[in-house]
Amino acid sequence: QKEVEQNSGPLSVPEGAIASLNCTYSDRVSQSFFWYRQYSGKSPELIMSIYSNGDKEDGRFTAQLNKASQYVSLLIRDSQPSDSATYLCAVIRFGNEKLTFGTGTRLTIIP
Amino acid sequence: SAVISQKPSRDICQRGTSLTIQCQVDSQVTMMFWYRQQPGQSLTLIATANQGSEATYESGFVIDKFPISRPNLTFSTLTVSNMSPEDSSIYLCSAIAGVDEQYFGPGTRLTVT
Repeated sequence: QKEVEQNSGPLSVPEGAIASLNCTYSDRVSQSFFWYRQYSGKSPELIMSIYSNGDKEDGRFTAQLNKASQYVSLLIRDSQPSDSATYLCAVIRFGNEKLTFGTGTRLTIIP
Repeated sequence: SAVISQKPSRDICQRGTSLTIQCQVDSQVTMMFWYRQQPGQSLTLIATANQGSEATYESGFVIDKFPISRPNLTFSTLTVSNMSPEDSSIYLCSAIAGVDEQYFGPGTRLTVT
């Protein structure tokens, strides 16, 4: 079992709809959770961090964390073509500063 | 957040040579990391660059192949030694700012011929 798993996609969503990206992790002592956006040919860009159970909202983005079920998700409301990218889920284990990345989900917003 | 720059942005190198990649952060940071990303793949951590001590390497990466320097809290270098075509990849440095948020430089695209 991979430490961090994501559906590789591609995920296609109509413009203006909600895009839902999911991530599961295997290590129960994971404590910090991140979503990165990576455009083709560019480096990863941090868009959300979440540390406690529940929802965290930032503009059109909402991160959701459920530690009991070991999953973290990212919702993108009012999806725009500029949201088309690969989204990487990453976790940090308690006592360890190293990020463990999922394989990423490729999201395409269809105009 | 942290603003990170890398040099060079890309290079084409011959087999058997070495390339040193520089990473500069706009503020002092305690932890810096080096990653490799193959086309279409996720990121693989090469090593943690420790200030004042030797880098900590991940399984499958060794100091002789990827020597790392960290002379101060804003700068690090990664050398890819005795290169082969299999070393063709994007090399990324990152740094932690804030609680444990990690920010990435723009990357160095290396092609080995």
